[in-house]
Amino acid sequence: EVQVVESGGGLVQPGGSLRLSCAASGFTFSSSWMNWVRQAPGRGLEWVANINPGGSAESYVDSVRGRFTISRDNAKNSLWLQMNSLRVEDTAVYYCASWTTSGNYWGQGTLVTVSS
Amino acid sequence: DVVMTQSPLSLPITLGQPASFSCRSGQSLVHSDGNTYLEWFQQRPGQSPRRLIYKVSIRDSGVPDRFSGSGSGTDFTLKISSVEAEDVGVYYCMQYTHWPHTFGQGTKLEIK
Repeated sequence: EVQVVESGGGLVQPGGSLRLSCAASGFTFSSSWMNWVRQAPGRGLEWVANINPGGSAESYVDSVRGRFTISRDNAKNSLWLQMNSLRVEDTAVYYCASWTTSGNYWGQGTLVTVSS
Repeated sequence: DVVMTQSPLSLPITLGQPASFSCRSGQSLVHSDGNTYLEWFQQRPGQSPRRLIYKVSIRDSGVPDRFSGSGSGTDFTLKISSVEAEDVGVYYCMQYTHWPHTFGQGTKLEIK
């Protein structure tokens, strides 16, 4: 059974930091591109970042580049998103997800609220 | 960034009737490798998204065959041949031919 479980969300003040975690199982994590996708309250989906299977290549949407860092550990089937210099507009549910020709896997999301 | 424009934003449909979702991209989604990386996602109320279709027209495993995708270049369509109650939700197209990946704003399917 495939499981994707995010954690680490919460309330943080503007300018603060959070580290999101994603634990995956039931699919070949080490061969999969992994993504973070976010959804602001009542809004649509926004792709945030991804990382290649080996962890050597990362990409980011412009609005988070330089503030967020995606990383992974294939030995632990884990993905992270380090979020620094958080802004009010980063408030959203953050999903860990993978979509390939062999399947697509999403977590339930973790809510990040940036507010003073 | 490639802008993905979906229409309509809201789609009220009677059960058993067909539904059609449009997605247009700001530039061609044909990749240099010859593939077109256009996908469709469904998000039911209160749930995480799930992919239905990838590379324009290939259904994911477990997706009912009433769902079909078509299109080319900049113009794409998702169709439901006969809407069922469980199809209620928001449908998003997404491209990853170009960086960054971009989603459309979504079309909300509701039962009339």
